[in-house]
Amino acid sequence: EVQLVESGGGLVKPGGSLRLSCAASGFTFRSYSMNWVRQAPGKGLEWVSSISSSGGYIYYADSVKGRFTISRDNAENSLYLQVNSLRAEDTAVYYCARGREGATQAAFDYWGQGTLVTVSS
Amino acid sequence: DIQMTQSPSSLSASVGDRVTITCRASQGISNYLAWYQQKPGKVPKLLIYAASTLQSGVPSRFSGSGSGTDFTLTISSLQPEDVATYYCQKYNSAPYSFGQGTKLEIK
Repeated sequence: EVQLVESGGGLVKPGGSLRLSCAASGFTFRSYSMNWVRQAPGKGLEWVSSISSSGGYIYYADSVKGRFTISRDNAENSLYLQVNSLRAEDTAVYYCARGREGATQAAFDYWGQGTLVTVSS
Repeated sequence: DIQMTQSPSSLSASVGDRVTITCRASQGISNYLAWYQQKPGKVPKLLIYAASTLQSGVPSRFSGSGSGTDFTLTISSLQPEDVATYYCQKYNSAPYSFGQGTKLEIK
């Protein structure tokens, strides 16, 4: 059974940082692209970042470029999102999602339960 | 960047109705289009990918069509459990943006 479990969210002050993690199990992690998607309270889905299976291709939404860094550890079956210089508008539930293929041009077929990031003073 | 626009933003229909949601891309995206369902308080679920391919386990009353810039998600006979917000997403190239969502309710 595919499982994606996010962690690392919490309350942080504006300008602060967090490292979000996503632990994957039930599939061959190194064969699939991975993604972060966020959802602000009461709002729609916003794509944040994607990484190919090897980590060689990485993409970011303009809203987070230069502040967020996606990475993966295929030996540890884990995906990460380092989030820096946080702003109030970054407050959201952050979902980890698997791409259907190794390349990032793929629909997201499994999603974690999400981790809440709240940016507030 | 390519913009994804869904219509309508909200929709109310009766059980058994045929429901259609549309998604328009501001530029052609071939068939790199996915549809997701998010029930209240739940995680998004992939319904359709490659514009018309049903994800495993998704009921056959859901179908997708389209290519290029215009796409539709159709529910052939609306069921109470279909109450949700539906999102389209492009994935031909980054940014892999979502539509704004269509909230579907039962009349």
